Amino acid sequence: AQSVTQLDSQVPVFEEAPVELRCNYSSSVSVYLFWYVQYPNQGLQLLLKYLSGSTLVKGINGFEAEFNKSQTSFHLRKPSVHISDTAEYFCAVSENQAGTALIFGKGTTLSVSS
Amino acid sequence: GAGVSQSPRYKVAKRGQDVALRCDPISGHVSLFWYQQALGQGPEFLTYFQNEAQLDKSGLPSDRFFAERPEGSVSTLKIQRTQQEDSAVYLCASSQTTGGGYTFGSGTRLTVV
Repeated sequence: AQSVTQLDSQVPVFEEAPVELRCNYSSSVSVYLFWYVQYPNQGLQLLLKYLSGSTLVKGINGFEAEFNKSQTSFHLRKPSVHISDTAEYFCAVSENQAGTALIFGKGTTLSVSS
Repeated sequence: GAGVSQSPRYKVAKRGQDVALRCDPISGHVSLFWYQQALGQGPEFLTYFQNEAQLDKSGLPSDRFFAERPEGSVSTLKIQRTQQEDSAVYLCASSQTTGGGYTFGSGTRLTVV
């Protein structure tokens, strides 16, 4: 069975500092990997996704993530965060099949302060 | 429409009451998913439709939960005899294809009192 572990439940950082949100997954088959952001009282917005090809994936709002198959990780990074990046971030995985649901981690709260 | 629309945005139900939550996906999207997000948790899969066919309902927590998508577009998630543990945000997502990420609605926050 697939699972996703987000290693940090809360990450506080100062504005303009770099940040890394960690995500590890387990799966016995090939996977698709995703990062979503959720602002208060809103739905989930896709930041980026890994389907195949280059292991370094660039997304919206200056975020990027690197797929590491040997370490089964898909960590999210941003070199310089803004106050507006304060939100909940979810890592998710799905199997490489049609019609398969996303399995989400428990989320990481990123708090950016000035 | 431009996005996935869910209604109502907020619902307060007395314990034992039946509720119906609506999801209007992006026009033409074949796949539709329902998720339940408890407070402080990640979304958990409930059920999946491809057009009008419900292909997976393994995540529905009990037989009080029922979902339908009769014409392959709008979907309704119905919860009968609501209980306090049903309090959560219910998210709907749709996609043209599967495996490539989905567009989520803003969710319905259900509070059972």
